Amino acid sequence: QVQLVQSGSELRKPGASVKIACEASGYTFTDYAINWVRQAPGQGLEWMGWINTNNGNPAYAQGFRGRLVFSLDNSLSTTYLQISSLRAEDTAVYYCARDSERLAAGLFQSWGQGTLVTVSS
Amino acid sequence: DIVMTQSPDSLAVSLGERATINCKSSQSVFYSSNNKNYLAWYQQKPGQPPKLLISWAFTRESGVPDRFSGSGSGTDFTLTISSLQAEDLAVYYCQQYVTTPSFGPGTKVHIK
Repeated sequence: QVQLVQSGSELRKPGASVKIACEASGYTFTDYAINWVRQAPGQGLEWMGWINTNNGNPAYAQGFRGRLVFSLDNSLSTTYLQISSLRAEDTAVYYCARDSERLAAGLFQSWGQGTLVTVSS
Repeated sequence: DIVMTQSPDSLAVSLGERATINCKSSQSVFYSSNNKNYLAWYQQKPGQPPKLLISWAFTRESGVPDRFSGSGSGTDFTLTISSLQAEDLAVYYCQQYVTTPSFGPGTKVHIK
């Protein structure tokens, strides 16, 4: 069955960077895009962007441009999210979500368990 | 960008009763070339990631109980739980994917 397993919780100081991993299994990794969605404590869901797992091309949501980097390691069926210049308001649970299509339909069929990133001095 | 709104914010329903959640988009999410509404519903239980329940406004995902149904078109949509069960306690989100994905703010369903 499709499974997305994310790396563990992270604590960072303001201004630092963090890199989160999302390992996929149960399907052909390059057949579906991976999206990233975040959820601040007690808040709703915010789409951050997606990566084409076939060629590694990313697309970032407008509010995050310049601070996000999506990357891949196809040999490990793993996608990474790196966020730089962290601020307190980046404190959230970050989810990876498998898309329904290779070129990102924006329909999130399977989700990772989430990674809590806490930004605090 | 398309803005999604939901009503109510919170809903208390007795077990076995009907729950109805409304979702509105600031622009139509209907794509005439394939006659589809690009609207999904997700369920998020406490401490869990969201789970896709319904896509294309009314198509239930495999394994989703048939007490969940979606309806609507264009800019106005509804998620109905026909007979609320205890395990349906959750926050429900609508999401459009006709353009850059965006979610509604969520509706919390709890037991009366």
